[in-house]
Amino acid sequence: GAVVSQHPSWVICKSGTSVKIECRSLDFQATTMFWYRQFPKQSLMLMATSNEGSKATYEQGVEKDKFLINHASLTLSTLTVTSAHPEDSSFYICSARRGTDTQYFGPGTRLTVL
Amino acid sequence: GNSVTQMEGPVTLSEEAFLTINCTYTATGYPSLFWYVQYPGEGLQLLLKATKADDKGSNKGFEATYRKETTSFHLEKGSVQVSDSAVYFCALSGDNQGGKLIFGQGTELSVKP
Repeated sequence: GAVVSQHPSWVICKSGTSVKIECRSLDFQATTMFWYRQFPKQSLMLMATSNEGSKATYEQGVEKDKFLINHASLTLSTLTVTSAHPEDSSFYICSARRGTDTQYFGPGTRLTVL
Repeated sequence: GNSVTQMEGPVTLSEEAFLTINCTYTATGYPSLFWYVQYPGEGLQLLLKATKADDKGSNKGFEATYRKETTSFHLEKGSVQVSDSAVYFCALSGDNQGGKLIFGQGTELSVKP
């Protein structure tokens, strides 16, 4: 149990376009979802915390108008990278948690902006 | 603020060697401490955790003890296998932080047969 999926696993887009990444908890209801960004050979940096039905809480330095997060249901959260630029190229990882339970991580989405 | 520091990699060991990956933290209060593992091409998986001082987390032969006096949570395994090759992340979740995890920079482990 406790499986989290992400879609797509890999996406390439042109500069200036928007990209949506989905995060789903497949076998449990996630009251909280987290979005992280991971650069090559580096650690995960928390971008935002998303609670179902409410606005996401963004970490300092993360542009909320650029990284739109929606947590419309207990099993789905989406991250939209708006007007993407090459510097947004990265590995985006979500995690999901039920109550105060352990966080379960998705496999990540590699975004490449040309 | 809270932070986690872990030893730099890559670490290369022969099969059956003893493994230690150091992790120290800075935090106020009483954080929970975690080790996550990321196998090639896969997402992070929780390896073990400890929620209070002197607790020992263990799983799959790996162990780590929550040492508040030295603010450390070093990961150890007595005999590594090739299948243990992965990136290991130390992380903490602080008091009243809503479950937010702060990660160390990760340590890549490569085990050779």
